[in-house]
Amino acid sequence: QVRLQQWGAGLLKPSETLSLTCAVYGDSFSNYYWGWIRQAPGKGLEWLGEINHSGSTVYNPSLKSRITMSVDTSKSHFSLRLNSVTAADTAVYFCARVRPIMRLGELLGGFDPWGQGTLVTVSS
Amino acid sequence: DIQLTQSPSFLSASVGDRVTITCRASQGISTYLAWYQQKPGQAPKLLIYAASTLQSGVPSRFSGGGSGTEFTLTIISLQPEDFATYYCQQFSTYPWTFGQGTKVEIK
Repeated sequence: QVRLQQWGAGLLKPSETLSLTCAVYGDSFSNYYWGWIRQAPGKGLEWLGEINHSGSTVYNPSLKSRITMSVDTSKSHFSLRLNSVTAADTAVYFCARVRPIMRLGELLGGFDPWGQGTLVTVSS
Repeated sequence: DIQLTQSPSFLSASVGDRVTITCRASQGISTYLAWYQQKPGQAPKLLIYAASTLQSGVPSRFSGGGSGTEFTLTIISLQPEDFATYYCQQFSTYPWTFGQGTKVEIK
């Protein structure tokens, strides 16, 4: 059964760089895209981007100039970096497996499973 | 970006009630829609994908329907563990987007 475990710094100052890593256990890292989603306090969900084992990425255009994702296939890890953070980046950040849209003729899609979430607070 | 609008944003219901949440897309997305349940302090959990297919392990009291621009999530006979916030999400066009959420609370 696949499990995602994430970690990273929880308190940042404005202009610093957010850095989070997610480890994938119990699944084939190469068969999926792996994504990041965030949730500001009391707010809804925002997809940030996703990456596959070869490093191909898709980013949310709203963050495109500040976001970088990377993978370490030897460890089945993927990472998120978001630079020049502000208070508006304060949120719980989740990693998740991105299900393929189609597999064997069946429509799938969605994010499953998710990591446990990491609260990142940006404050001076 | 495709906008997803959920209604209602807040719903008060009793155990045993039937509840329906609607998700409207700003443009047609066929059945490229998923539903999630999120409880406080937890990550969202995938309930339904492809608009109407129940994820493995999800109780059959949950059902989804719709296509194009209008979708529904229905819970028949609401159970205590179903009080949570529900989100729809489209995977038709990047960037993937979510609805604003519907909070289901105990009446």
